[in-house]
Amino acid sequence: DAGVIQSPRHEVTEMGQEVTLRCKPISGHNSLFWYRQTMMRGLELLIYFNNNVPIDDSGMPEDRFSAKMPNASFSTLKIQPSEPRDSAVYFCASKGRQGVQETQYFGPGTRLLVL
Amino acid sequence: RKEVEQDPGPFNVPEGATVAFNCTYSNSASQSFFWYRQDCRKEPKLLMSVYSSGNEDGRFTAQLNRASQYISLLIRDSKLSDSATYLCVVNGRETGFQKLVFGTGTRLLVSP
Repeated sequence: DAGVIQSPRHEVTEMGQEVTLRCKPISGHNSLFWYRQTMMRGLELLIYFNNNVPIDDSGMPEDRFSAKMPNASFSTLKIQPSEPRDSAVYFCASKGRQGVQETQYFGPGTRLLVL
Repeated sequence: RKEVEQDPGPFNVPEGATVAFNCTYSNSASQSFFWYRQDCRKEPKLLMSVYSSGNEDGRFTAQLNRASQYISLLIRDSKLSDSATYLCVVNGRETGFQKLVFGTGTRLLVSP
């Protein structure tokens, strides 16, 4: 099992540039989540999808952030234009069953640095 | 008030020690509870679920007190490899229990 796959693993860009983060969830998982983690704020949920449909995007910081899930095996998180305060680790997670409970499995994350 | 609150630590313990972490949550409707572990510069990984009756997995014991909205994790016979940040996680009734809310984590350092 490949687990959740994210790309790129590291991204360095300049303020004002567009950034696109990519995620491939675990096959068969119907829910996908995008998180952002910083030292100051911890792990924050940005948006999540159920069966490719966005369910809750209340965590998206502002209009510069957008996310899509065109099919069950792919999602993108886009920041346009990027700002230095967007620097963080962005995790994608998909939800599936382990034992009697469902829980979320995280990808390795994308470390974003906006200069 | 944060939805999930944890002592950030760090907890510095010698190998072989027993250490306990606590966590409180504010949403009384929360139905599922977990402890995740996050190593430095890695993704969070599920350590164990927390059941109402309490549960054990090897050296790890998790307890839930719904009345006090309190979760604990006990680690016995600490190993160097237990050094990590431990995240308390709960879900809630909103949006069909889909969302997980993560605490900011408790850092554990186990020394030789």
